[in-house]
Amino acid sequence: AQSVTQPDIHITVSEGASLELRCNYSYGATPYLFWYVQSPGQGLQLLLKYFSGDTLVQGIKGFEAEFKRSQSSFNLRKPSVHWSDAAEYFCAARDSGGGADGLTFGKGTHLIIQP
Amino acid sequence: EAQVTQNPRYLITVTGKKLTVTCSQNMNHEYMSWYRQDPGLGLRQIYYSMNVEVTDKGDVPEGYKVSRKEKRNFPLILESPSPNQTSLYFCASRRDRSETQYFGPGTRLLVL
Repeated sequence: AQSVTQPDIHITVSEGASLELRCNYSYGATPYLFWYVQSPGQGLQLLLKYFSGDTLVQGIKGFEAEFKRSQSSFNLRKPSVHWSDAAEYFCAARDSGGGADGLTFGKGTHLIIQP
Repeated sequence: EAQVTQNPRYLITVTGKKLTVTCSQNMNHEYMSWYRQDPGLGLRQIYYSMNVEVTDKGDVPEGYKVSRKEKRNFPLILESPSPNQTSLYFCASRRDRSETQYFGPGTRLLVL
């Protein structure tokens, strides 16, 4: 079955430090890949997406993600986090072929920023 | 402004009382979906629609109905809500298969 795994439920990072959030997927073929952020009480905001091409994807708010086919991963990174980055982060995937329509989400990683 | 809107944003109801959560998009998108978000489970798709009068089940369709009579609207219907449908619901839309999904602000539902 298709799945998206975010191994870390919680991550705590000091303000100004670098960040990496992990995401692994299990699909028959390379899916479309997304990272969304959800601030407390808010909806989902798209940070970045990968459909094909360059495996390093730049997104909004200084985030980037790298697609690694050999590792079935799409990890999210930021070189220096700000207190406002504290939120829930979701990795998601969608079949790029003619299969299921919906996004499959990971269970989320809760990011805590220490002063 | 391009957006997906949902109403109501918050709803408290009782078991068995039919309710409808509306979803509307102003981007002329063909694809629309409903998701529910539960702690520790992430988001799961309930139903989706690829165009007017074309709908299909997602991963967790039990207890829900949808309709797509107009391109812009995709209401979610709970005929007989139960407490296990207490959740945060998101509507989403996108132009076609290869495009990004845009999410509504969410509807928080509590079924007593």
